[in-house]
Amino acid sequence: QSALTQPASVSGSPGQSITISCTGSSNDIGAYKYVSWYQHHPGKAPKLIIYDVSSRPSGVSDRFSASKFGDTASLTISGLQAEDEADYYCCSYTRSNTWMLGGGTKLTVL
Amino acid sequence: DVQLVESGGGLIQPGGSLRLSCVASGFTFSNYDMHWVRHVAGKGLEWVAVVGAAFDTYYADSVRGRFTISRENAKNSVDLQMNTLRAADTGVYYCIRDREGAFDSWGQGTLVSVSS
Repeated sequence: QSALTQPASVSGSPGQSITISCTGSSNDIGAYKYVSWYQHHPGKAPKLIIYDVSSRPSGVSDRFSASKFGDTASLTISGLQAEDEADYYCCSYTRSNTWMLGGGTKLTVL
Repeated sequence: DVQLVESGGGLIQPGGSLRLSCVASGFTFSNYDMHWVRHVAGKGLEWVAVVGAAFDTYYADSVRGRFTISRENAKNSVDLQMNTLRAADTGVYYCIRDREGAFDSWGQGTLVSVSS
């Protein structure tokens, strides 16, 4: 098992939009709708922000959106705010009945 | 409100054993799959294991054969027995509820440090 591939870091200015990619394979992202995204502020528990590829839990801002094409999932954050600065992780169910997380992407709001 | 409270973390020497526990409240525990995920400093989040509502279990390659996940519905609890611990197992371990294929509720985490 190796981690899903995410860029190590992305950055953007307040008000801008950024996109984080998450690349897997036909054994995970490409095979299932169980792709989710998590926001992790250091010292706090991670928070679910996207499930089932593109659905938002109640209470999560509509500035967060996501999609999937083939073996790659993407998370877009629009209208960047200072509070969005955090680590972001993708996650997918796999054909082995296990779960795989991405390596994480550090978002810096300039 | 959903609550997950982990306990059992601590400092342990390489090769030692530790048992983590998680007590759940605020939902019908027996209906949900439960996971353990760890955060390793400098490396990120890593999925560790899952125990299904039907008591089926699955593990990450890195812990299979050393860790055992179990649940006791009567006590609303899920445990992680960790044997033959390595320095690479150091991290914060989170207990998580799985709702329809997503980790929708997380505990506050318990720190495991493997060091001599």
